[in-house]
Amino acid sequence: RKEVEQDPGPFNVPEGATVAFNCTYSNSASQSFFWYRQDCRKEPKLLMSVYSSGNEDGRFTAQLNRASQYISLLIRDSKLSDSATYLCVVTLNTGGFKTIFGAGTRLFVKA
Amino acid sequence: DAMVIQNPRYQVTQFGKPVTLSCSQTLNHNVMYWYQQKSSQAPKLLFHYYDKDFNNEADTPDNFQSRRPNTSFCFLDIRSPGLGDAAMYLCATSGTRQLANEKLFFGSGTQLSVL
Repeated sequence: RKEVEQDPGPFNVPEGATVAFNCTYSNSASQSFFWYRQDCRKEPKLLMSVYSSGNEDGRFTAQLNRASQYISLLIRDSKLSDSATYLCVVTLNTGGFKTIFGAGTRLFVKA
Repeated sequence: DAMVIQNPRYQVTQFGKPVTLSCSQTLNHNVMYWYQQKSSQAPKLLFHYYDKDFNNEADTPDNFQSRRPNTSFCFLDIRSPGLGDAAMYLCATSGTRQLANEKLFFGSGTQLSVL
């Protein structure tokens, strides 16, 4: 089983739609959680951290469910510029923290 | 201004011909990482340096080596590239590996093609 699993998509949505991605992680000792965004042939960039209490940044809302070991990302009012791959990321303490990436979920927002 | 710089952006090499990818950083970060990312896959950690301390991942092939001559620079050497080594190679840095919420700073990557 992969350490971080995501639905690869692609998700094809019209502009203005709300879309949600889920991610599951296998190691209950995972410490921190993030969503990164990656554009085609570019490097990943941090979108937001994910906290147990849930957090929001503009149109983006992230949730963490430690009991069920999943993380979610909700994007409201989708823009064309939101088209990208969204990577779910966790950190593990292996005597120094190690960052584990999911393979990503592809999103296409259409006009 | 770019803080983690990778050169070149695109690299073409021949099967079996050694190739070196470079990464430099202006952040004075202690930790430098090399990730390999193939199409539609997760970035896979190859190894990292914590200062001068080299940490290899258990499943990283011996064909991949790394050097960190000083804080600012780190190199990825592929001794005998195979067709399966064609990928995006991402360099990243972090200030420390002792914090769970430490952010990674990525370079723009080097896309390696093997002919």
